[in-house]
Amino acid sequence: GDSVTQMEGPVTLSEEAFLTINCTYTATGYPSLFWYVQYPGEGLQLLLKATKADDKGSNKGFEATYRKETTSFHLEKGSVQVSDSAVYFCALYSGNTPLVFGKGTRLSVIA
Amino acid sequence: NAGVTQTPKFQVLKTGQSMTLQCAQDMNHNSMYWYRQDPGMGLRLIYYSASEGTTDKGEVPNGYNVSRLNKREFSLRLESAAPSQTSVYFCASSVLQTANTGELFFGEGSRLTVL
Repeated sequence: GDSVTQMEGPVTLSEEAFLTINCTYTATGYPSLFWYVQYPGEGLQLLLKATKADDKGSNKGFEATYRKETTSFHLEKGSVQVSDSAVYFCALYSGNTPLVFGKGTRLSVIA
Repeated sequence: NAGVTQTPKFQVLKTGQSMTLQCAQDMNHNSMYWYRQDPGMGLRLIYYSASEGTTDKGEVPNGYNVSRLNKREFSLRLESAAPSQTSVYFCASSVLQTANTGELFFGEGSRLTVL
């Protein structure tokens, strides 16, 4: 079945550091890929998405590129801020079942 | 615009008690979902309703029942709560489960503790 694997956390970075959170997937067909973010005490919200190979999703300085050849959708940000501290979830949708989520990666950014 | 509203936000139960988590969305979405979130496990789908009048099991349905009351409302019932059901529960909705976008809109969560 469909699955998402993302790097284990927690990840702790200093402000202005470069962020990469790895995400790889297994799916039939050509899924859509997503990154969701969960701020403390809140529900998840969509951060960015890509619906076909080579698409780049971007939002709030975060980017991720849909790489079909490596089945990956790594999240990157050039300079993190304390306000980026949250849990990040990679997810896929292949049209057969509801959204499948990875286990989440907790990011802590310290000033 | 309220989006997805869940009640209650917090609940403490004793083992064997029953309760219902309520969820309502005002976005005219067709599909609704219940997930649970546990440390180290991410989000796991309990049940979903692709459209009004249908419900389907997800990854972890045992011990739960659901009712799609109408297009707006989707409730989750624990008939006989167990400590293993201590979790944070999230309701979500989407335009169509079959639409190839997959974007979900989440409520703020309901934290349930079973003693």
